[in-house]
Amino acid sequence: AQTVTQSQPEMSVQEAETVTLSCTYDTSESNYYLFWYKQPPSRQMILVIRQEAYKQQNATENRFSVNFQKAAKSFSLKISDSQLGDTAMYFCAFIRIQGAQKLVFGQGTRLTINP
Amino acid sequence: KAGVTQTPRYLIKTRGQQVTLSCSPISGHRSVSWYQQTPGQGLQFLFEYFSETQRNKGNFPGRFSGRQFSNSRSEMNVSTLELGDSALYLCASSLAGTPGSGANVLTFGAGSRLTVL
Repeated sequence: AQTVTQSQPEMSVQEAETVTLSCTYDTSESNYYLFWYKQPPSRQMILVIRQEAYKQQNATENRFSVNFQKAAKSFSLKISDSQLGDTAMYFCAFIRIQGAQKLVFGQGTRLTINP
Repeated sequence: KAGVTQTPRYLIKTRGQQVTLSCSPISGHRSVSWYQQTPGQGLQFLFEYFSETQRNKGNFPGRFSGRQFSNSRSEMNVSTLELGDSALYLCASSLAGTPGSGANVLTFGAGSRLTVL
């Protein structure tokens, strides 16, 4: 069975600062995807960024980038030039490539961006 | 392109009642999965349907059931409601089964918030 662990329940930074959210996972699979989802107060789950495990290059999406360390089973999210709108719960998630579409989520990190 | 639509958005039930939640996936998405979100347990997988077949089920009692129709729309039902069933129920759809890197990307609906009194 796969597990995802986020060790930071809460984080708080000032606007425009850079923040890194941590995530580790455990799996015996070799092919999978990893995601960071954002859930603002509206409760809508929004995809932030995804990483295919077979790709060595770290994914980037504008101000969001990941540090994917496959051997260490680590998948951290870096948010640069943080904005007030980045305030949300952030969930790290794992999915196998084959078979049922079942996301395994971490416990979440509540990120607050202060003005 | 319309997103994932969940109805109703909010509902209040009493213990012992049953409830049916609906989810309309993004057009062309054949996989629909359901998740329960509570403050104590976090996000937990309920079940996933693909082409009207349940492919996987999470660790929930038999009171939780679902189905998928030929147009990929899905419903989940919870019978004999308990206080602990109060939660946000999220539905997600994906292209699963279609070759390509987007196949495993799940898009979520806004959720149905169920309160059991």
